[in-house]
Amino acid sequence: NAGVTQTPKFQVLKTGQSMTLQCAQDMNHNSMYWYRQDPGMGLRLIYYSASEGTTDKGEVPNGYNVSRLNKREFSLRLESAAPSQTSVYFCASSDMGFTEAFFGQGTRLTVV
Amino acid sequence: AQTVTQSQPEMSVQEAETVTLSCTYDTSESNYYLFWYKQPPSRQMILVIRQEAYKQQNATENRFSVNFQKAAKSFSLKISDSQLGDTAMYFCAFRGSGTYKYIFGTGTRLKVLA
Repeated sequence: NAGVTQTPKFQVLKTGQSMTLQCAQDMNHNSMYWYRQDPGMGLRLIYYSASEGTTDKGEVPNGYNVSRLNKREFSLRLESAAPSQTSVYFCASSDMGFTEAFFGQGTRLTVV
Repeated sequence: AQTVTQSQPEMSVQEAETVTLSCTYDTSESNYYLFWYKQPPSRQMILVIRQEAYKQQNATENRFSVNFQKAAKSFSLKISDSQLGDTAMYFCAFRGSGTYKYIFGTGTRLKVLA
């Protein structure tokens, strides 16, 4: 049982380059999330998808786009990477009700 | 908007002793869910314990327990008999019962000393 799988685990980009972070879950969860983690700032929500076919902005959406490809997959795209987007990115999934979010292993992204 | 505050950026505790991590939150909802996550150096986010606001009884999972004070909007985590493997970043999180978003605090870095 893989849970939530993110790719890649590490990435270095040059300023202005684009890339897509991939996320897939095999727990049949309806909701999926993208967070970024920065020192001293905890985890901040970038975008989320409450269910297949819907996406909504979180706290820090600027500079990002997302696609809920199907129930399993939720991708995060950086169109033109900036050094301020250097961070650790986490994908998560959950169901409704009294349940926690399940996290992937994270992607460490460095923009130089 | 809901907020979660962890006022202790760093803490340390001697092995086998007890430590309490603080968390406060702000919400106007009557029912919601609260969580503590552990993030060891491996970066993996691991659920430690969870509490439903509707239930007055404090949750307990082995050496981990919470002190949930709904009126004070406080949700502290107590770790008993601390072990070296408890060294990690700990995050408090909130989710309203009718919403999808999990709101996280800024974390407390805990170091267990041998």
